[in-house]
Order: sequence, then structure tokens, then C-alpha cells
Amino acid sequence: QKEVEQNSGPLSVPEGAIASLNCTYSDRGSQSFFWYRQYSGKSPELIMSIYSNGDKEDGRFTAQLNKASQYVSLLIRDSQPSDSATYLCAVNWNAGNNRKLIWGLGTSLAVNP
Amino acid sequence: EPEVTQTPSHQVTQMGQEVILRCVPISNHLYFYWYRQILGQKVEFLVSFYNNEISEKSEIFDDQFSVERPDGSNFTLKIRSTKLEDSAMYFCASTGEVRTDTQYFGPGTRLTVL
Repeated sequence: QKEVEQNSGPLSVPEGAIASLNCTYSDRGSQSFFWYRQYSGKSPELIMSIYSNGDKEDGRFTAQLNKASQYVSLLIRDSQPSDSATYLCAVNWNAGNNRKLIWGLGTSLAVNP
Repeated sequence: EPEVTQTPSHQVTQMGQEVILRCVPISNHLYFYWYRQILGQKVEFLVSFYNNEISEKSEIFDDQFSVERPDGSNFTLKIRSTKLEDSAMYFCASTGEVRTDTQYFGPGTRLTVL
């Protein structure tokens, strides 16, 4: 059974601080890793994707992947109140034409002004 | 910017009725998906579709469910004889990026079964 685990939170940080979100996954065969943001009642919105070990930066967001530890994280620098949302970690098992995403429950982030 | 669209945004139905949820994937995408999210729970994979056929389906996707791409643009999810526990947000997604597999999501249909 392939699993993706996240701390459900809530994670509360002050405005301007760094928010650190973590995710672990069970299957070493995983190939693609995604962070989505979801506002209440809305659909997941892609924030970052990462495929190789190391860091990937995009604006205020940095994704980190460690395949040996089966761990992926998301750092949000200079957090803003508009970043308050649930952050979903999703992992793709790519087997031929089967490319489903397996999801974590999400971490709720609250950025306090 | 191209986007995935879904209709209706909210569907209310009586238990036992059939519903059809509609999606228009991004036009040059090749892979299509349905996911659902029960309130407060994880997003769950239902089915993937490629080359006009189902490529994978989850245990949730039983005989009650079916998918169709009737006209080369629309992608539909039919739920026959709806049950109370089918109440959820249903998301359609598509990807055309074979190497990176980034999936783009529609806004979702909220299905309420009474």
C-alpha cells in the first residue's frame, strides 16, 4: 500500500517568517513529487514539482527532496497571510500509462499578521 | 492560459439517481483523471484515461462508475445509483507532459447526495 504522510497541523507562523512543511512517502519507486496548495472548498493548485534529489527554488518557495530518506519538504520564505491554506504533498508512481497521484492529508498553514 | 473546466460547480441529487459530471481538459493534453475528496479527507484517485480507454482505476471505481470521452473534448464521469457516501468534491485533471507528469486540476464539482 503506497502511502504519503504529512503532519496535519495546524502550523502557525507569524507574517514574514519561514514556514516548513514536511512529507514522507512509503515507496522507493516514486519518481515525481508535487506540492499543491488548496484553499477551503477549492481545487488543488500546483505550487512546486521536484524530481531529483536536492533543492529547487521558485520565488519564495523551495522544495527539497531526499529519496534515500523518502522525504520531501516545502519551505515558504517571507510568509504572507495569503499563504494561509492547506498544503498537499502528492507523489506519482509512474508505471507505463498509469500516472496516478497519491496524496497526503495536507498540512494546514496559518500565517498571522 | 489554458485551464481545465468542470460543470456543474455544484450538483444536488437524490440517493439512487444518476449523475454525470463533465470536464473539458486542456486541449492538447493526453492523460485524464478523476479524483474525489470527501470533506476533511485525502484526495483520492478514481480513474485515469489515456488513448480512449481506462488505463488504471482504483478500488473505489466500481461498477457504479464509468467514464467517457464522447467527442474528443469532453471527459465525463457517470455515477449510477448514487449513494450518500458519494457526496464529495470531484476533480478532473489532465496532463500532456509525459516526462514530468504535472497534473492540472479543474475547479471541481461539489456533489451532494440527499
